[in-house]
Amino acid sequence: QSALTQPPSASGSPGQSVTISCTGTSRDVGGYDFVSWYQQHPGKAPKLMIYEDTKRPSGVPDRFSGSKSVNTASLTVSGLQAEDEADYYCSSFAGSLGYVFGSGTKVTVL
Amino acid sequence: QVHLQESGPGLVQPSGTLSLTCDVSGVSINDWWSWVRQPPGKGLEWIGEMFHSGTTNYNPSLKSRVTISMDKSKSQVSLRLNSATAADTAVYYCARGIYHAFDIWGQGTMVTVSS
Repeated sequence: QSALTQPPSASGSPGQSVTISCTGTSRDVGGYDFVSWYQQHPGKAPKLMIYEDTKRPSGVPDRFSGSKSVNTASLTVSGLQAEDEADYYCSSFAGSLGYVFGSGTKVTVL
Repeated sequence: QVHLQESGPGLVQPSGTLSLTCDVSGVSINDWWSWVRQPPGKGLEWIGEMFHSGTTNYNPSLKSRVTISMDKSKSQVSLRLNSATAADTAVYYCARGIYHAFDIWGQGTMVTVSS
């Protein structure tokens, strides 16, 4: 059960947009509509930002959006703010294998 | 107020058993509950889950060593990991599973495997 592939880092200036990719296979990302995204600040627990590929939980700003094409999911953060600087992880349901997380992406607000 | 609190020994002997408890408050225990861990400076790893009916699913890479259980009367979910090694050193989180995502997380508890 290999981790989903994410770029190690991404960055953008305040007000700009940044997109993070999450690549898996047809056995996880491409096989189900169950990709979720988590934001994690240093020393804190992860926070759910997107579920079921594109849905936002109550309270998550609409600056955060999710999408998916075949075996690659993406998280876009629009109108970057200083508080968006954090680590971001994707996760996918993987059938009988349970759940698999991505390798994580550190987002820096320049 | 929804709150998950992990607790247990912070230090485990190599080859020993790692045992943690997650106290659930402010939300029904009748859901899916997962354990997720994060080694220092590394990414997240799903360990396994349990439904209130007793159904369990485990990460295949850990399945032979892991047991997740639940005490509904105490609103607690527990984790046992046998034959611990240094590779099991991590922050351990409990989390509620919903819509195949994890929407509520505990603050996490650090466990070090060392003699």
